[in-house]
Amino acid sequence: GAVVSQHPSWVICKSGTSVKIECRSLDFQATTMFWYRQFPKQSLMLMATSNEGSKATYEQGVEKDKFLINHASLTLSTLTVTSAHPEDSSFYICSARDLESDEQYFGPGTRLTVT
Amino acid sequence: SQQGEEDPQALSIQEGENATMNCSYKTSINNLQWYRQNSGRGLVHLILIRSNEREKHSGRLRVTLDTSKKSSSLLITASRAADTASYFCATDAYGGAGSYQLTFGKGTKLSVIP
Repeated sequence: GAVVSQHPSWVICKSGTSVKIECRSLDFQATTMFWYRQFPKQSLMLMATSNEGSKATYEQGVEKDKFLINHASLTLSTLTVTSAHPEDSSFYICSARDLESDEQYFGPGTRLTVT
Repeated sequence: SQQGEEDPQALSIQEGENATMNCSYKTSINNLQWYRQNSGRGLVHLILIRSNEREKHSGRLRVTLDTSKKSSSLLITASRAADTASYFCATDAYGGAGSYQLTFGKGTKLSVIP
């Protein structure tokens, strides 16, 4: 299957700082990428859909000013958690859709801990 | 909101036995995809079955889809200890963002005992 990379794999930051997470599709072009959040022992919750060259669409309850998404190219999307709080601590996973097959591939995830 | 509901929530079997996990959903779908997730890791794509397909195989995996009952099942035959993981079904449907989106169920935690 296709490969999606995510960087960093884990990050610890202090409250009030911002953290940027990168997501790359390595062997296919992804016009649409997705960002999910997963709490321990729970399922994935879609945060936002990112379309290349346009603004992201956020799911209900997700603050767009807090979770900034940029999809600058067909292979790169970034999620910036601004003014992080301890409650933002979570596992963030990006995903890219292969438009030819409809299969959606996931990155390895980024574990964010805000102290 | 989550659309898929997996059943059972947890399953423990002996190595060599078959494992069956079920998924039910509520609305029309484009396709349904199954994923595996090891603890603290990302999701691994297992198989995609389209709404006009009824059964699909991949190695030791067999997936069925019944759109009339809005349900799917994942069968893992001759299970191995390495199959221990959480398994999620995800329904693919057109979303509010002008694109197709996956919605995940709560997952089935499978434990295969050596």
